[in-house]
Amino acid sequence: DQQVKQNSPSLSVQEGRISILNCDYTNSMFDYFLWYKKYPAEGPTFLISISSIKDKNEDGRFTVFLNKSAKHLSLHIVPSQPGDSAVYFCAASEENYGGATNKLIFGTGTLLAVQP
Amino acid sequence: EPEVTQTPSHQVTQMGQEVILRCVPISNHLYFYWYRQILGQKVEFLVSFYNNEISEKSEIFDDQFSVERPDGSNFTLKIRSTKLEDSAMYFCASSVAYGRGYTFGSGTRLTVV
Repeated sequence: DQQVKQNSPSLSVQEGRISILNCDYTNSMFDYFLWYKKYPAEGPTFLISISSIKDKNEDGRFTVFLNKSAKHLSLHIVPSQPGDSAVYFCAASEENYGGATNKLIFGTGTLLAVQP
Repeated sequence: EPEVTQTPSHQVTQMGQEVILRCVPISNHLYFYWYRQILGQKVEFLVSFYNNEISEKSEIFDDQFSVERPDGSNFTLKIRSTKLEDSAMYFCASSVAYGRGYTFGSGTRLTVV
């Protein structure tokens, strides 16, 4: 049951260019989306998030776009740097009124390699 | 920058043995979680904990698993009788409020032999 999908297992980009990582979801109840970056032997590091009431959120070099009608989000990194090389996970959570769960459903990840 | 601390970083155990994975969440956080990642697979939710009780658990979190916050600072995951398929990276996470990005620990690699 893959509610969150990242169809590109890997992406290679030249330093200075734009990296675009994509994510699709199937559960229309998801209302909060996050991107995490992960290095080997480390835990995921929170990068940026977006609520379903927005279609864009920007933080420095990172911008997340949300297209609710297409159930699609993307992470843009501009300009890409060699230090950005890592696995990027998309994650989603569902509104849970009256509860305190906020569990995250993760995609399978995309390995980004930024070439110097 | 506050961190979520996990110990040990690597644990090797015999099948059938009990293991306890330890976590110290960020001190003012209220929500606590365990996730795991089997090698080559995605990160999967195990359990969430709030107000001293489990708020949700996944199908993976069966009777062999338990969590505890014994002293107000530590948050532990116990696996009563480990199986080979429990081998994975286990990540603890905490968040200050609902709807906020979690902070994850660096993980414990559990190897069951």
